[in-house]
Amino acid sequence: QSVLTQPPSASGTPGQRVAISCSGSTSNIGSNYVYWYQQLPGTAPKLLMLRNNQRPSGVPDRFSGSKSDTSASLAITGLRSEDEADYYCAAWDDSLSGVVFGGGTQLTVL
Amino acid sequence: EVQLVQSGAELKKPGESLRISCKASGYSFTNYWIGWVRQMPGKGLEWMGIINPGDSDTRYSPSFQGQVTISADKSITTAYLQWSSLRASDTAMYYCARHTEDCSSNLCYAIPERWGQGTLVTVSS
Repeated sequence: QSVLTQPPSASGTPGQRVAISCSGSTSNIGSNYVYWYQQLPGTAPKLLMLRNNQRPSGVPDRFSGSKSDTSASLAITGLRSEDEADYYCAAWDDSLSGVVFGGGTQLTVL
Repeated sequence: EVQLVQSGAELKKPGESLRISCKASGYSFTNYWIGWVRQMPGKGLEWMGIINPGDSDTRYSPSFQGQVTISADKSITTAYLQWSSLRASDTAMYYCARHTEDCSSNLCYAIPERWGQGTLVTVSS
């Protein structure tokens, strides 16, 4: 059981907007920044979002992040087939003194 | 260019020892924490721990404390993950990751930023 909770799956058609939620607690999301990672099939994870809503260089502005209290969300607009991947949220947990991940959301582009 | 190049896939028997490696290049090795993340077959990511190559300060997730050893050799800019006695349940993909330091309002911490390509460890009799 992951410390952060994500829906196991999400889907959308090309061009649509899809949002992936991530729920935590006061010791992780409630106290610290949220980060998002994209893992394309058969590859290593890649940092997609840092500090709740900041995109690293090279990440398209179709991706956006938000955080409210102990929850966060990753939104993807103008969905494309190459967005089909697993998405993970993460945060530092003060109680565990370590990084905690969500269980991951498998995004399917129909 | 920042690169983290991990050692190749391993097939081991239960009870055997193993050390896998992660060779870093393209940045100052001692300026960033480096750590390991486990991904069991068909499962999500689990943070195992990190090491500061500059002073060898090492932090472990409670779930992995005592189960593995994280080390680094700054002379050859390489980090290691080691097991003394493997179990079948150690079968997984292991990623090394350079961590970036970030600070919230009350503390500073390290977050995975750049990832290696992964090392598949299979433990089977």
